[in-house]
Amino acid sequence: GQNIDQPTEMTATEGAIVQINCTYQTSGFNGLFWYQQHAGEAPTFLSYNVLDGLEEKGRFSSFLSRSKGYSYLLLKELQMKDSASYLCATPWGSSNTGKLIFGQGTTLQVKP
Amino acid sequence: GAVVSQHPSWVICKSGTSVKIECRSLDFQATTMFWYRQFPKQSLMLMATSNEGSKATYEQGVEKDKFLINHASLTLSTLTVTSAHPEDSSFYICSASLGGRGSHTGELFFGEGSRLTVL
Repeated sequence: GQNIDQPTEMTATEGAIVQINCTYQTSGFNGLFWYQQHAGEAPTFLSYNVLDGLEEKGRFSSFLSRSKGYSYLLLKELQMKDSASYLCATPWGSSNTGKLIFGQGTTLQVKP
Repeated sequence: GAVVSQHPSWVICKSGTSVKIECRSLDFQATTMFWYRQFPKQSLMLMATSNEGSKATYEQGVEKDKFLINHASLTLSTLTVTSAHPEDSSFYICSASLGGRGSHTGELFFGEGSRLTVL
């Protein structure tokens, strides 16, 4: 089966760095996604990793270790607007049809 | 990126009535769309896969007779919640993928979501 785990809640201070971890178990692997979701809104795409290593995109970076079934999202120079839920997701099995399985989401609260 | 539009963004209905939610891909054709449901402070749960021109594929535990899905064209999928009850109140989100043609294999593009409140 497939299983994705991430912490439920995190709190950080404006300007700081925060790392949100995600562990997964899948029957196949076709990449790992991170989405950001503000309350009451639809998720928006942040990053996609299919190879091991760190992918940097501005203030956000995402890391993947396929051998460990582990990923993290790194947010630097936190801003108040970064308060949101961050969802880790993988494609179902090894498909590329867009059918994603989501983790429970990590609610990040950024404080002044 | 691709644009997916969902309508209505919110709806309030009485118990026992039916509600239809539309999901449109605006700048691409989507042979497959996905319907998710999200309860407060929970993650997205896949309800069903909507297939253009054929029957939808429902996830385990989702009643196909209660959540009717129609995907009559390459740009439109509809979800009808029949005989709605208060426990059906939720945030319903549709999504579509460009498949291997997108910038990332399997990347999902989401509609704005529809918040259903059943009184």
